[in-house]
Amino acid sequence: DTEVTQTPKHLVMGMTNKKSLKCEQHMGHRAMYWYKQKAKKPPELMFVYSYEKLSINESVPSRFSPECPNSSLLNLHLHALQPEDSALYLCASSQVGEGMGGTQYFGPGTRLLVL
Amino acid sequence: DAKTTQPPSMDCAEGRAANLPCNHSTISGNEYVYWYRQIHSQGPQYIIHGLKNNETNEMASLIITEDRKSSTLILPHATLRDTAVYYCIVRAFISNFGNEKLTFGTGTRLTIIP
Repeated sequence: DTEVTQTPKHLVMGMTNKKSLKCEQHMGHRAMYWYKQKAKKPPELMFVYSYEKLSINESVPSRFSPECPNSSLLNLHLHALQPEDSALYLCASSQVGEGMGGTQYFGPGTRLLVL
Repeated sequence: DAKTTQPPSMDCAEGRAANLPCNHSTISGNEYVYWYRQIHSQGPQYIIHGLKNNETNEMASLIITEDRKSSTLILPHATLRDTAVYYCIVRAFISNFGNEKLTFGTGTRLTIIP
């Protein structure tokens, strides 16, 4: 099974709201990723967690706050977002420690609209 | 990671083989070629990857040239469900601890024609 689940599927929020995106995998993967995809553009990496520790932050604004509470869960906390943050947010996971780090498997994404 | 170049769009007749090219002329010896596809508004789906040798799985075949500067993804019998954006990615191994990223290019929009 190579399933990564994400909730919610759709989210509409105002610029003063606080919301969270959730990602879950049960493949035993120890690396998890957040990507952002704007309309008609390729996905762009935001964060990488490895063994529940943040290992890569691609200079993402602090209004995006990732959290990895355990090896199966990855959250993205959102606060004071701007309309330009509207996008598809993708979660992925992979094995680590197997030479090449393992193939990344993606979830279906959360489509976020900031009003 | 090495950059990749793909045609922006391609058409293929249903039932025929779809051959998607990718140039990666600056690829290094430790870099793998990965292919993903993304059907409209869904998450990217892993297809196949390879280093030097040709690879085949239940979805596709990957042909890598001997100098590794280009590759071709082959979908042997394209169906309408194969209509998607196909991304060719060259990914470097950085460490054993997941410190890596996929750098997506603009991809090829493949349309399967009935």
